Amino acid sequence: GAVVSQHPSRVICKSGTSVKIECRSLDFQATTMFWYRQFPKKSLMLMATSNEGSKATYEQGVEKDKFLINHASLTLSTLTVTSAHPEDSSFYICSASEGSGEWGTDTQYFGPGTRLTVL
Amino acid sequence: KQEVTQIPAALSVPEGENLVLNCSFTDSAIYNLQWFRQDPGKGLTSLLLIQSSQREQTSGRLNASLDKSSGRSTLYIAASQPGDSATYLCAVRYPDYKLSFGAGTTVTVRA
Repeated sequence: GAVVSQHPSRVICKSGTSVKIECRSLDFQATTMFWYRQFPKKSLMLMATSNEGSKATYEQGVEKDKFLINHASLTLSTLTVTSAHPEDSSFYICSASEGSGEWGTDTQYFGPGTRLTVL
Repeated sequence: KQEVTQIPAALSVPEGENLVLNCSFTDSAIYNLQWFRQDPGKGLTSLLLIQSSQREQTSGRLNASLDKSSGRSTLYIAASQPGDSATYLCAVRYPDYKLSFGAGTTVTVRA
């Protein structure tokens, strides 16, 4: 089956530093990748959608300069949290889809998540 | 705004009892609905996906029903086991291809 990996699984950083999280599709080409954020006991909130080779589309309220997304290849997307602060601490999950998602039928395969803690 | 609600937020049952998890959504113009399992600190595992034209899907002890007109889905887990303890998330796919998630139901099955 389709496998999506994330690295690192857990990261602790100091306030003011930048953190990069990688999302890889291991056995398929991901035309579209999604980044979600999950707070404790809350639902997953979509942060942005990225298509390979083009700029990411951010959801309302998500700071694009704060959360930099790069989808440089069909198997890799990165999320960089710039100048991280304690309020950025959260569980970040990516998902990947083979299609462009236009018809709403493409399955999203989810990564295992990355726990970010900002001290 | 497309909202997905899951009730109850938490559920504790003795082993062997059947589980009933509810999901409701405000906009019935969906493409499909999916149930996921999430273990603590882990990612999502897809359990069942129901297309908008379907009424139910079954996989082993799991059965999910969909009533699109009333904006409801129910996940049934028969003969629960301690290994079923996890958070179960409901997610709805809308025409804009985005997934809207509920907050989940955390299930504890007591041995």
